[in-house]
Amino acid sequence: QSALTQPASVSGSPGQSITISCTGTSSDVGGYNYVSWYQQYPGKAPKVMIYEVSSRPSGVSNRFSGSKSGNTASLTISGLQAEDEADYYCSSFTSSSTWVFGGGTKLTVL
Amino acid sequence: EVQLVESGGGLVQPGGSLRLSCAASGFTFRTYGMHWVRQAPGKGLVWVSGIKTDGSSTNYADSVKGRFTISRDNAKNTLYLQMNSLRAEDTAVYYCARGQTKSAYDWGQGTLVTVSS
Repeated sequence: QSALTQPASVSGSPGQSITISCTGTSSDVGGYNYVSWYQQYPGKAPKVMIYEVSSRPSGVSNRFSGSKSGNTASLTISGLQAEDEADYYCSSFTSSSTWVFGGGTKLTVL
Repeated sequence: EVQLVESGGGLVQPGGSLRLSCAASGFTFRTYGMHWVRQAPGKGLVWVSGIKTDGSSTNYADSVKGRFTISRDNAKNTLYLQMNSLRAEDTAVYYCARGQTKSAYDWGQGTLVTVSS
């Protein structure tokens, strides 16, 4: 049950687009279309932003989008805003019927 | 509105036990899988355990297997996590989450468990 691999940090200027990658294996990310992305502000509970690789819950801005290629999933945030500054985590269902999270990525809006 | 309220956290000595509860409301509890996810201070999210709708199937992270037990009472709309043989590395905020489409769709506010002598 090794954690999915995410970059520790990414940054971008307001209005720009950024992409956060999430790399796993064929036993998790690559094997299932059950990748989710979560946003977490300091001291707060996480919030789901993307589920099933690319679906957005109601109420989540369409500036957030997800995709997957092979064993790597990606979260793209377009039109970056100051309020997007937060920690982002990916997760995946696994072949052991467990879940695995990524180590998290700190997004800084410059 | 979905509400998940965790309780039962606190300070416990190494080797001790604790039972966490998660009171659910705002949705039909018995029709959703439920999960526990933890976050050590300053660290990332880690999935701990999950349970299917009727409690017939449970799964655990290797790090807690044999020590933690997840259960649910659908009549009381409550999820539980019995934690035994606690270690310092179990210190974390524990969140309960409603499962939907293999994602943690809704989260509680978390309860802090500190394992220390």
